Amino acid sequence: QLQLQESGPGLVKPSETLSLTCTVSGGSISSSTYSWGWIRQPPGKGLEWIGSIIYSGSSYYNPSLKSRVTISADTSTNQFSLRLSSVTAADTAVYYCARHGSRDAYNNPRNFDYWGQGTLVTVSS
Amino acid sequence: QLVLTQSPSASASLGASVKLTCTLSAGHSSYTIAWHQRQPEKGPRYLMTLNSDGSHSKGDGIPDRFSGSSSGAERFLTISSLQSEDEADYYCQTWGTGIQVFGPGTEVTVL
Repeated sequence: QLQLQESGPGLVKPSETLSLTCTVSGGSISSSTYSWGWIRQPPGKGLEWIGSIIYSGSSYYNPSLKSRVTISADTSTNQFSLRLSSVTAADTAVYYCARHGSRDAYNNPRNFDYWGQGTLVTVSS
Repeated sequence: QLVLTQSPSASASLGASVKLTCTLSAGHSSYTIAWHQRQPEKGPRYLMTLNSDGSHSKGDGIPDRFSGSSSGAERFLTISSLQSEDEADYYCQTWGTGIQVFGPGTEVTVL
Protein backbone atom coordinates (compact mmCIF):
# COMPACT_ATOMS: atom_id res chain seq x y z
CA GLN A 1 0.00 0.00 0.00
CA LEU A 2 1.41 3.37 -1.01
CA GLN A 3 1.91 5.79 1.87
CA LEU A 4 3.01 9.42 1.91
CA GLN A 5 4.16 11.32 5.01
CA GLU A 6 4.86 15.04 5.24
CA SER A 7 7.51 16.36 7.61
CA GLY A 8 9.03 19.72 8.45
CA PRO A 9 8.83 22.67 10.84
CA GLY A 10 5.40 23.54 12.15
CA LEU A 11 6.30 27.19 12.67
CA VAL A 12 8.00 29.52 10.20
CA LYS A 13 8.75 33.21 10.64
CA PRO A 14 7.44 35.79 8.17
CA SER A 15 9.77 36.46 5.21
CA GLU A 16 11.58 33.15 5.73
CA THR A 17 11.41 30.00 3.61
CA LEU A 18 9.04 27.15 4.34
CA SER A 19 10.58 23.72 3.69
CA LEU A 20 8.70 20.43 3.76
CA THR A 21 9.58 16.89 2.76
CA CYS A 22 7.31 14.07 1.66
CA THR A 23 8.56 10.55 2.29
CA VAL A 24 7.02 7.90 0.05
CA SER A 25 6.82 4.24 1.04
CA GLY A 26 5.33 1.31 -0.82
CA GLY A 27 6.28 2.74 -4.21
CA SER A 28 9.10 4.47 -6.04
CA ILE A 29 9.03 8.16 -6.95
CA SER A 30 11.35 7.39 -9.87
CA SER A 31 8.63 5.39 -11.64
CA SER A 32 7.92 6.87 -15.08
CA THR A 33 4.21 6.29 -14.57
CA TYR A 34 3.58 8.72 -11.74
CA SER A 35 4.09 12.34 -10.77
CA TRP A 36 3.99 13.92 -7.33
CA GLY A 37 2.47 17.09 -5.97
CA TRP A 38 1.89 19.49 -3.10
CA ILE A 39 -1.48 20.92 -2.09
CA ARG A 40 -2.42 23.16 0.82
CA GLN A 41 -5.54 24.12 2.73
CA PRO A 42 -5.60 27.40 4.68
CA PRO A 43 -7.83 27.44 7.79
CA GLY A 44 -11.48 27.60 6.80
CA LYS A 45 -10.72 27.49 3.08
CA GLY A 46 -10.56 24.92 0.30
CA LEU A 47 -7.77 22.96 -1.31
CA GLU A 48 -5.20 24.83 -3.36
CA TRP A 49 -2.76 23.09 -5.71
CA ILE A 50 0.79 24.38 -5.19
CA GLY A 51 2.78 22.46 -7.78
CA SER A 52 3.92 19.10 -9.06
CA ILE A 53 7.05 17.30 -10.17
CA ILE A 54 6.85 14.79 -12.99
CA TYR A 55 8.88 11.62 -13.44
CA SER A 56 11.42 13.36 -15.66
CA GLY A 57 12.30 15.73 -12.84
CA SER A 58 10.71 18.83 -14.33
CA SER A 59 8.17 20.76 -12.28
CA TYR A 60 5.18 22.96 -12.86
CA TYR A 61 3.54 25.34 -10.45
CA ASN A 62 0.37 27.24 -9.64
CA PRO A 63 0.82 30.57 -11.43
CA SER A 64 -0.21 32.45 -8.29
CA LEU A 65 2.72 30.93 -6.34
CA LYS A 66 5.22 30.25 -9.12
CA SER A 67 7.66 33.00 -8.21
CA ARG A 68 8.10 31.62 -4.67
CA VAL A 69 7.88 27.82 -5.12
CA THR A 70 10.43 25.12 -5.82
CA ILE A 71 9.63 21.41 -5.86
CA SER A 72 12.44 18.89 -6.11
CA ALA A 73 12.91 15.14 -5.74
CA ASP A 74 15.60 12.87 -4.30
CA THR A 75 15.24 9.40 -5.75
CA SER A 76 17.96 8.02 -3.45
CA THR A 77 15.77 8.66 -0.40
CA ASN A 78 12.42 8.30 -2.18
CA GLN A 79 11.43 11.78 -1.07
CA PHE A 80 10.27 14.95 -2.73
CA SER A 81 10.35 18.41 -1.23
CA LEU A 82 8.64 21.79 -1.22
CA ARG A 83 10.28 25.16 -0.68
CA LEU A 84 8.13 28.29 -0.43
CA SER A 85 10.03 31.52 0.01
CA SER A 86 9.11 34.89 1.52
CA VAL A 87 6.21 33.48 3.49
CA THR A 88 3.50 35.59 5.12
CA ALA A 89 0.58 34.78 7.41
CA ALA A 90 -1.44 33.99 4.28
CA ASP A 91 0.74 30.91 3.81
CA THR A 92 -0.48 29.40 7.07
CA ALA A 93 -2.15 26.15 6.07
CA VAL A 94 -2.21 22.39 6.28
CA TYR A 95 0.18 21.17 3.59
CA TYR A 96 -0.43 17.84 1.86
CA CYS A 97 1.70 15.78 -0.48
CA ALA A 98 0.04 13.46 -2.97
CA ARG A 99 0.59 11.20 -5.96
CA HIS A 100 -0.86 11.78 -9.42
CA GLY A 101 -2.49 8.67 -10.86
CA SER A 102 -0.59 8.28 -14.14
CA ARG A 103 -0.92 10.59 -17.17
CA ASP A 104 -3.61 11.37 -19.71
CA ALA A 105 -3.47 11.07 -23.50
CA TYR A 106 -1.64 14.41 -23.69
CA ASN A 107 0.94 13.28 -21.12
CA ASN A 108 -0.47 15.58 -18.43
CA PRO A 109 -0.44 14.22 -14.87
CA ARG A 110 -3.96 13.17 -13.94
CA ASN A 111 -5.78 13.64 -10.66
CA PHE A 112 -4.27 12.81 -7.29
CA ASP A 113 -5.02 9.29 -6.08
CA TYR A 114 -3.00 8.94 -2.88
CA TRP A 115 -2.63 11.61 -0.22
CA GLY A 116 -0.56 12.18 2.91
CA GLN A 117 -2.26 13.03 6.18
CA GLY A 118 -1.03 16.62 6.07
CA THR A 119 1.06 18.84 8.29
CA LEU A 120 0.08 22.22 9.73
CA VAL A 121 2.50 25.05 9.07
CA THR A 122 1.92 28.33 10.89
CA VAL A 123 3.64 31.51 9.77
CA SER A 124 4.17 33.76 12.76
CA SER A 125 6.90 35.69 14.49
CA GLN B 1 -10.09 29.50 -17.93
CA LEU B 2 -10.52 26.11 -16.32
CA VAL B 3 -12.75 26.51 -13.25
CA LEU B 4 -14.84 24.12 -11.16
CA THR B 5 -17.97 25.22 -9.31
CA GLN B 6 -19.58 23.45 -6.36
CA SER B 7 -22.43 24.30 -4.01
CA PRO B 8 -21.06 25.17 -0.56
CA SER B 9 -23.24 22.77 1.41
CA ALA B 10 -25.62 19.83 1.25
CA SER B 11 -27.45 17.77 3.83
CA ALA B 12 -29.52 14.62 4.07
CA SER B 13 -30.79 12.26 6.72
CA LEU B 14 -28.98 9.17 7.94
CA GLY B 15 -29.72 6.34 5.51
CA ALA B 16 -30.89 8.66 2.72
CA SER B 17 -29.04 9.73 -0.43
CA VAL B 18 -27.34 12.97 -1.36
CA LYS B 19 -26.21 14.11 -4.82
CA LEU B 20 -23.36 16.58 -5.16
CA THR B 21 -22.64 18.59 -8.30
CA CYS B 22 -19.38 19.82 -9.78
CA THR B 23 -19.71 22.06 -12.84
CA LEU B 24 -16.94 22.62 -15.38
CA SER B 25 -16.44 26.06 -16.88
CA ALA B 26 -17.53 26.88 -20.43
CA GLY B 27 -15.51 25.11 -23.09
CA HIS B 28 -14.39 22.35 -20.77
CA SER B 29 -17.45 20.11 -20.70
CA SER B 30 -15.51 17.06 -21.94
CA TYR B 31 -13.01 17.07 -19.10
CA THR B 32 -12.56 14.21 -16.68
CA ILE B 33 -12.72 15.06 -12.99
CA ALA B 34 -11.96 13.32 -9.72
CA TRP B 35 -13.86 13.39 -6.43
CA HIS B 36 -12.07 13.53 -3.09
CA GLN B 37 -13.43 13.31 0.46
CA ARG B 38 -11.89 15.14 3.41
CA GLN B 39 -13.21 14.00 6.76
CA PRO B 40 -12.57 16.17 9.83
CA GLU B 41 -9.01 15.95 11.12
CA LYS B 42 -7.98 13.62 8.28
CA GLY B 43 -6.14 13.97 4.99
CA PRO B 44 -8.14 13.87 1.75
CA ARG B 45 -9.17 10.51 0.34
CA TYR B 46 -9.51 9.86 -3.36
CA LEU B 47 -12.96 8.52 -4.20
CA MET B 48 -13.19 8.19 -7.97
CA THR B 49 -12.30 9.48 -11.40
CA LEU B 50 -15.36 10.43 -13.49
CA ASN B 51 -15.44 10.82 -17.27
CA SER B 52 -17.78 12.93 -19.39
CA ASP B 53 -19.73 9.85 -20.47
CA GLY B 54 -20.41 8.93 -16.84
CA SER B 55 -17.98 6.05 -16.70
CA HIS B 56 -15.94 6.07 -13.54
CA SER B 57 -13.25 4.18 -11.68
CA LYS B 58 -13.04 4.15 -7.92
CA GLY B 59 -10.15 4.27 -5.54
CA ASP B 60 -9.10 1.36 -3.36
CA GLY B 61 -11.75 0.28 -0.87
CA ILE B 62 -14.38 2.87 -1.83
CA PRO B 63 -17.82 1.43 -1.01
CA ASP B 64 -20.48 0.83 -3.65
CA ARG B 65 -22.66 3.49 -2.01
CA PHE B 66 -20.46 6.09 -3.72
CA SER B 67 -21.31 6.46 -7.40
CA GLY B 68 -20.70 8.98 -10.15
CA SER B 69 -22.56 10.24 -13.19
CA SER B 70 -22.27 13.04 -15.77
CA SER B 71 -24.48 15.32 -17.81
CA GLY B 72 -22.95 17.93 -20.10
CA ALA B 73 -20.58 20.04 -18.03
CA GLU B 74 -21.91 18.67 -14.75
CA ARG B 75 -20.31 15.86 -12.80
CA PHE B 76 -22.21 14.26 -9.96
CA LEU B 77 -21.29 12.30 -6.87
CA THR B 78 -24.13 10.37 -5.27
CA ILE B 79 -23.77 8.94 -1.80
CA SER B 80 -26.45 6.37 -1.01
CA SER B 81 -27.39 4.92 2.39
CA LEU B 82 -25.75 7.92 4.04
CA GLN B 83 -23.72 7.11 7.15
CA SER B 84 -22.40 9.35 9.90
CA GLU B 85 -18.82 8.95 8.66
CA ASP B 86 -19.87 10.44 5.31
CA GLU B 87 -20.10 13.83 7.00
CA ALA B 88 -17.16 15.53 5.34
CA ASP B 89 -16.07 18.02 2.72
CA TYR B 90 -16.12 16.82 -0.86
CA TYR B 91 -13.87 18.34 -3.51
CA CYS B 92 -13.77 17.85 -7.25
CA GLN B 93 -10.53 18.20 -9.15
CA THR B 94 -9.57 18.42 -12.80
CA TRP B 95 -6.43 19.14 -14.76
CA GLY B 96 -5.06 20.53 -17.99
CA THR B 97 -1.69 21.26 -19.52
CA GLY B 98 0.45 22.62 -16.71
CA ILE B 99 -2.42 23.09 -14.29
CA GLN B 100 -4.36 21.29 -11.58
CA VAL B 101 -7.67 22.77 -10.38
CA PHE B 102 -9.83 22.09 -7.35
CA GLY B 103 -13.43 23.11 -6.82
CA PRO B 104 -14.27 25.10 -3.67
CA GLY B 105 -15.76 22.04 -1.96
CA THR B 106 -19.17 21.00 -0.65
CA GLU B 107 -19.71 20.42 3.05
CA VAL B 108 -22.03 17.45 3.60
CA THR B 109 -24.01 17.25 6.83
CA VAL B 110 -25.72 14.06 7.92
CA LEU B 111 -28.91 14.89 9.78
